[in-house]
Amino acid sequence: GENVEQHPSTLSVQEGDSAVIKCTYSDSASNYFPWYKQELGKGPQLIIDIRSNVGEKKDQRIAVTLNKTAKHFSLHITETQPEDSAVYFCAASEGNEKLTFGTGTRLTIIP
Amino acid sequence: GAGVSQTPSNKVTEKGKYVELRCDPISGHTALYWYRQSLGQGLEFLIYFQGNSAPDKSGLPSDRFSAERTGGSVSTLKIQPSEPRDSAVYFCASSSRRWPLDTQYFGPGTRLTVL
Repeated sequence: GENVEQHPSTLSVQEGDSAVIKCTYSDSASNYFPWYKQELGKGPQLIIDIRSNVGEKKDQRIAVTLNKTAKHFSLHITETQPEDSAVYFCAASEGNEKLTFGTGTRLTIIP
Repeated sequence: GAGVSQTPSNKVTEKGKYVELRCDPISGHTALYWYRQSLGQGLEFLIYFQGNSAPDKSGLPSDRFSAERTGGSVSTLKIQPSEPRDSAVYFCASSSRRWPLDTQYFGPGTRLTVL
């Protein structure tokens, strides 16, 4: 089955700087890669996703890149703000099947 | 519109007791998923329902776990008998399963504590 690894497990960034979180996956059949943000006591909220037919996607301060050959994808947050502090999860799936999640990255934005 | 809702939000029970968790998906979503999250961990897939097809139960950790989805809408996850190692937050998610609108939307979760 699919295995998703996520790094780093914790990340502290000065407010205004950029944050990068990286994930690798094992199943070449995976073609859908969402990123979720989870705040304390809440369910995961989708922030951006990418499908295997594109290499990059941007939404304001957030971008995701995908390298299918190397089987890795990354989340980039620019101009970080205190409200970006949360746990971020990457995930992978084949189409609309079950998601396999990474182990999460706790991002802390230092004011 | 209304998102995915889950009840109860918090449940404390004793070892050996029956547990039932409920999920109301987004109206019109044909796919429904259950995941669980142990303390400080990522989300682990449990079971997946899609329309009238047989559910994908490959993630259920033991035969103490079962789930059903009535009328293609509400789902219940059942644990009988419950054990302390079942303590976790249980999340439900739903999706429309129509590309490219097949994003999985998660509910707020049910925090289960088995003493």
